[in-house]
Amino acid sequence: EAQVTQNPRYLITVTGKKLTVTCSQNMNHEYMSWYRQDPGLGLRQIYYSMNVEVTDKGDVPEGYKVSRKEKRNFPLILESPSPNQTSLYFCASRGDYSTDTQYFGPGTRLTVL
Amino acid sequence: DQQVKQNSPSLSVQEGRISILNCDYTNSMFDYFLWYKKYPAEGPTFLISISSIKDKNEDGRFTVFLNKSAKHLSLHIVPSQPGDSAVYFCAASVAGGTSYGKLTFGQGTILTVHP
Repeated sequence: EAQVTQNPRYLITVTGKKLTVTCSQNMNHEYMSWYRQDPGLGLRQIYYSMNVEVTDKGDVPEGYKVSRKEKRNFPLILESPSPNQTSLYFCASRGDYSTDTQYFGPGTRLTVL
Repeated sequence: DQQVKQNSPSLSVQEGRISILNCDYTNSMFDYFLWYKKYPAEGPTFLISISSIKDKNEDGRFTVFLNKSAKHLSLHIVPSQPGDSAVYFCAASVAGGTSYGKLTFGQGTILTVHP
């Protein structure tokens, strides 16, 4: 079954404690991205990756890092989380063409105290 | 600045009637538009799309209309069913160029279909 998986699904942490949210897709997609969803703002892109070792900033990259060492994995790293990063995070992947459908993971609900 | 706007946070309709969800955009470079549906505790799932070379696209009960001069699109669901109750996101992208098809989303509209 084609899917995007994220872990953990729920996470409560404290300010400053480094964390990683993993994302994996089994569709051999080259393009992957991370979004955050906040009330009244919809989904906003944090980072995206066109291929292995190729990443770039989206609209709201501050406070986040990503890496793309393998095609299937695209982890999101928060080196020093702050309360304003409390949000719902989605990983997505799509095929080679910009009009290909983006498939989203189930989401990670992060709370930073 | 919100380049894609869904001005109605919520919409309530009766089962069997038409649901019309609206979306406005400001960036004239957008040339590909999509609607995603999202249930609680799940990720958004693709529903229907339309290219700027068209003004209408149909897929079963779902039809998307695009009015480029008004920078407006709408999603029609006919007939509406209780299972359609979800959050609907409008999204837009530039199909070519250097943006690599990045999706810009609206705020979402909560649709509730009453039996």
